[in-house]
Amino acid sequence: SQTIHQWPATLVQPVGSPLSLECTVEGTSNPNLYWYRQAAGRGLQLLFYSVGIGQISSEVPQNLSASRPQDRQFILSSKKLLLSDSGFYLCAWSAFRDTFYVVNTEAFFGQGTRLTVV
Amino acid sequence: AQSVTQLDSHVSVSEGTPVLLRCNYSSSYSPSLFWYVQHPNKGLQLLLKYTSAATLVKGINGFEAEFKKSETSFHLTKPSAHMSDAAEYFCVVTSQWGYSSASKIIFGSGTRLSIRP
Repeated sequence: SQTIHQWPATLVQPVGSPLSLECTVEGTSNPNLYWYRQAAGRGLQLLFYSVGIGQISSEVPQNLSASRPQDRQFILSSKKLLLSDSGFYLCAWSAFRDTFYVVNTEAFFGQGTRLTVV
Repeated sequence: AQSVTQLDSHVSVSEGTPVLLRCNYSSSYSPSLFWYVQHPNKGLQLLLKYTSAATLVKGINGFEAEFKKSETSFHLTKPSAHMSDAAEYFCVVTSQWGYSSASKIIFGSGTRLSIRP
C-alpha cells in the first residue's frame, strides 16, 4: 500500500532563518506531488506541484521554493523565512495518469508540518 | 477554470441533529469532487468522493453527499451529528486535462463544524 511521510511535525524558526521540509512517498511510482499551505483561519492554498523529477510548477509567487530530487521525494525550502510564512504545510500525492483526460484523481495527504516563524 | 465555494465558514449544530455543509463548484470539464475532514493539527482524511457512477455518494462515519449538476452543488450531509464530528471540512474539485499535467486539486476555504452537547 502507498504511504506518505512528512517531517518534521512541528517547527519553530526565527525570521530570516532557512527552511527545509521533506516529504516522501512509498508504494507508488511517478506520483504527482503537491505542497499546500494552510494559514490560520484560511483554507488550503496550493503552493507547488510536480509531475516528475526536476519538474516544478509554482502556483503563487512567494518566498518559498520546491525541489524534486528523486521520484518520490518533494522538498519545500526557503532561504530566509518571513513571519507570514507561518502556517500548516501539507504534502500530498496523486497517481499520475498518462491518458489525455482523467477523472477521480484522489489526493493523499501527509500529516502536515506546523511552522511557526518567530 | 475550476473553483469551489463553501458557503458557510462555520456551522454549529446540536448533537443528534442533522448536518448540512454546503459546497458549490465551477469546472470547465466534468469534475471529480471530494470531501475531506481535518481534525485539529492533523492531516486530511478523505470522507467521500464523487466518481460519476452515482450521484448520491456515501462516505465514512455516516456522511453522504449528493452531486447535482444542474445546481453545480455537492453538499455534505449527515442525519445525526456526533461530538466526534467537530472538525474542519473541505470540499475539493479536481480535474486533469492534457498529457503530463498534474491534477489541479482545488480546495474550498473550509467549513468549521461545531457540535453543541
